[in-house]
This record gives sequence, structure tokens and C-alpha cells, in this order.
Amino acid sequence: GQQVMQIPQYQHVQEGEDFTTYCNSSTTLSNIQWYKQRPGGHPVFLIQLVKSGEVKKQKRLTFQFGEAKKNSSLHITATQTTDVGTYFCAAHRGGNQFYFGTGTSLTVIP
Amino acid sequence: DTEVTQTPKHLVMGMTNKKSLKCEQHMGHRAMYWYKQKAKKPPELMFVYSYEKLSINESVPSRFSPECPNSSLLNLHLHALQPEDSALYLCASSYWTLEGSPLHFGNGTRLTVT
Repeated sequence: GQQVMQIPQYQHVQEGEDFTTYCNSSTTLSNIQWYKQRPGGHPVFLIQLVKSGEVKKQKRLTFQFGEAKKNSSLHITATQTTDVGTYFCAAHRGGNQFYFGTGTSLTVIP
Repeated sequence: DTEVTQTPKHLVMGMTNKKSLKCEQHMGHRAMYWYKQKAKKPPELMFVYSYEKLSINESVPSRFSPECPNSSLLNLHLHALQPEDSALYLCASSYWTLEGSPLHFGNGTRLTVT
């Protein structure tokens, strides 16, 4: 299967601090999606990035797709306790095949 | 909450049992998926159905047998499982597009094989 690595694996931040997770693929991607999974929950779709160099924002969340379409990042500004969960990127390899990255588990300390 | 319904929520089965997991969606999605997720790991793609036809099987052992009776339903038949098959089994659906579209996940079935 496709190798999609995310770093860091775990991140603990104080509430109000910023957080970034990085997603790296060994191959060029057609597009990439981001999901959030709360503890005990299921993955919930956040966003899809398609174009090289694309940047999208959702309130405090900023998503970027690399110029070479091999990497992506998710940045959260001023984290809140509601941001707790595991963030996964999912690489699209044509058709309807989505391969999830290794995930970054975010803990926010109040 | 989610528009993809999975039953049962929990399942405990012995290694000689036969059981089935069920998944239903009424969003008009024509792609449906089974993922397996172990604790603290990402979801692993098992099967993809497109327009009720199996399009992807990620080398899953034959003790897992998927079935898509119609565009709204997806089943996963289980037989002679091993304890290492214990995991959260997630069903998902999406529109079928060349560029991919968002996956809508169910709450999952937590399976324990004893």
C-alpha cells in the first residue's frame, strides 16, 4: 500500500498554543483529504486539497498542499480543548482509493 | 452523529462462529468502503465497492467476505476469525468521482474475537 507518514505522532500543547501536523507521501498524490477522529469516535472529514500549492482556511485551521503534491500540513491557531483528537491525512491514489496517514494525536492541556 | 448506520455496535465472537456486520446509507452514494482500525492506528482500507461491484480488495484474507446487495447496503461476512482480527470495523460511503470525494464514516462495529 501507499506510504503516508505523519509527524509528529503525538503532540501535547497548552490551550492557546498553535499546533501543526505534517503529512508526507513517497509518491505524488492526485489530492489529499484531512480527517479528525475524536477519542472513541469515527473519522470526520475536514477538507480536500486538489491543486499544487493550495491553501485553504477554516476558522482557526489552515491546510496546505505542497507544490510537488507529495506533502501537506494542517495548522491550528490558538488551540482549544475541543481540538483534542487524532488528525489524519488521507492520500487519494486514483479511483476511490484513500490511504490514511499514520495520524497525529493532539492533547490540549487547559 | 452520522448518516451511515452500522450494526451491531459491539460484537464478541468465537473463532468458529459466523457473523455479519451491516452498513446502510441513504445519501445516494455509489462508493462504499470497509476499513479496519486497530487501537492507536490509522484506518486500513480493506474493500471498495463502486456501483455495487467490488473494485478494490486490499489482499484481505478470505475469512472476510464483503457483499453489496444494493446501492444502500454493505455487509461484511465473518468466518473463522483469529483473535488478531479484533478491531474497530468502519464502514464509509462517498460519491464516486475520479478526483475522490469526502468519506462519510459510520460509528463502527467494535469486534472482539475470543
